[in-house]
Amino acid sequence: AQSVTQLDSQVPVFEEAPVELRCNYSSSVSVYLFWYVQYPNQGLQLLLKYTTGATLVKGINGFEAEFKKSETSFHLTKPSAHMSDAAEYFCAVSRSGNTGKLIFGQGTTLQVKP
Amino acid sequence: NAGVTQTPKFRVLKTGQSMTLLCAQDMNHEYMYWYRQDPGMGLRLIHYSVGEGTTAKGEVPDGYNVSRLKKQNFLLGLESAAPSQTSVYFCASSYSSSGANVLTFGAGSRLTVL
Repeated sequence: AQSVTQLDSQVPVFEEAPVELRCNYSSSVSVYLFWYVQYPNQGLQLLLKYTTGATLVKGINGFEAEFKKSETSFHLTKPSAHMSDAAEYFCAVSRSGNTGKLIFGQGTTLQVKP
Repeated sequence: NAGVTQTPKFRVLKTGQSMTLLCAQDMNHEYMYWYRQDPGMGLRLIHYSVGEGTTAKGEVPDGYNVSRLKKQNFLLGLESAAPSQTSVYFCASSYSSSGANVLTFGAGSRLTVL
């Protein structure tokens, strides 16, 4: 069975400081990994995904994540936070042939302080 | 291009009442999903459908029923609402069962059961 753990429920940063949101997964088979963002009172939208190939994945709004199979991690980073980045971020995992179902982590709230 | 539309957006029920949440997508997607979102627990899959006329149980199906009579619609029903079903419900759809496929989410339906 697959599972996802987001190691921090809240991450506070100052504006223009770097951001790292941590995600670890467990699975006995090859997986696909995703980061979704949820702005207040909205649905989830895709930030980036890892399927195959390059392990460093670039997404929207300057975010990127690196797939590290040996560490079973997929941490999300951004060099410089903007106030508009304040949101809840979800890491999710899926696998081939699993009817597209996503297993989500608990979510991390990014707080950006001026 | 509406994408995934959920109705209603907000609803307050009394314990024991019934209701139906409607999800409609205009992207001709084959796969549809209902998730619930609770603080600190991320999103959990309630039921899903792999095509018109099919439904299957997800991680937390108890107390819910679903129907997919038309490809574009996926209904989530609560026959006898309980306070534990107070949550935000998200519908999502995707065009294939590939684990690499991206889900498109609706804006959510906030349900409160008193």
